[in-house]
Amino acid sequence: EAGVTQFPSHSVIEKGQTVTLRCDPISGHDNLYWYRRVMGKEIKFLLHFVKESKQDESGMPNNRFLAERTGGTYSTLKVQPAELEDSGVYFCASSQVLYSPLHFGNGTRLTVT
Amino acid sequence: AQSVTQPDIHITVSEGASLELRCNYSYGATPYLFWYVQSPGQGLQLLLKYFSGDTLVQGIKGFEAEFKRSQSSFNLRKPSVHWSDAAEYFCAVGAQSNTGKLIFGQGTTLQVKP
Repeated sequence: EAGVTQFPSHSVIEKGQTVTLRCDPISGHDNLYWYRRVMGKEIKFLLHFVKESKQDESGMPNNRFLAERTGGTYSTLKVQPAELEDSGVYFCASSQVLYSPLHFGNGTRLTVT
Repeated sequence: AQSVTQPDIHITVSEGASLELRCNYSYGATPYLFWYVQSPGQGLQLLLKYFSGDTLVQGIKGFEAEFKRSQSSFNLRKPSVHWSDAAEYFCAVGAQSNTGKLIFGQGTTLQVKP
């Protein structure tokens, strides 16, 4: 069984540019989560999809962040325009049902210069 | 406010020594508690979880954790540390309604001396 896959593993962009992160969950996992760890801080919840629907987006920092999950399969997280404080590691995780363990991807390290 | 505190940012132990990583939580409802480990270049891997029942839970890689409601703690232990245990460890709490929406502690980096 393939794990959660995230692309790219690293991204370096300039302030004001746009970046799109992608997450492919484990096949059959309806629940998909995005988390972020800013340097020196704790890992924080961003949002939760159930299939293609946003169940909870209470952790999204502002409207520069847009997450989608077309067809309930892979998900993208777009940052537009990127700011310096968006730098960090973005994790994606999936689970089959709400009470099953989360499977995390390796993360995307985003650096905004 | 709901929060998780890992008081130790960095811990160094000798290989073969015992290990205890501390975790304290503040949560209004019944907490669902987790320990995750992240090795360099890897994603977070679940070590163990506590939902209910026996307060001493066993996990993978020889780890265990004990839930103490009176102390709001969920400390992680291992009797004998191996060099491969060097990693960053995260304690997290989740809600009954959505155990995937986690609140994480700041993480504890474990260094193992030969």
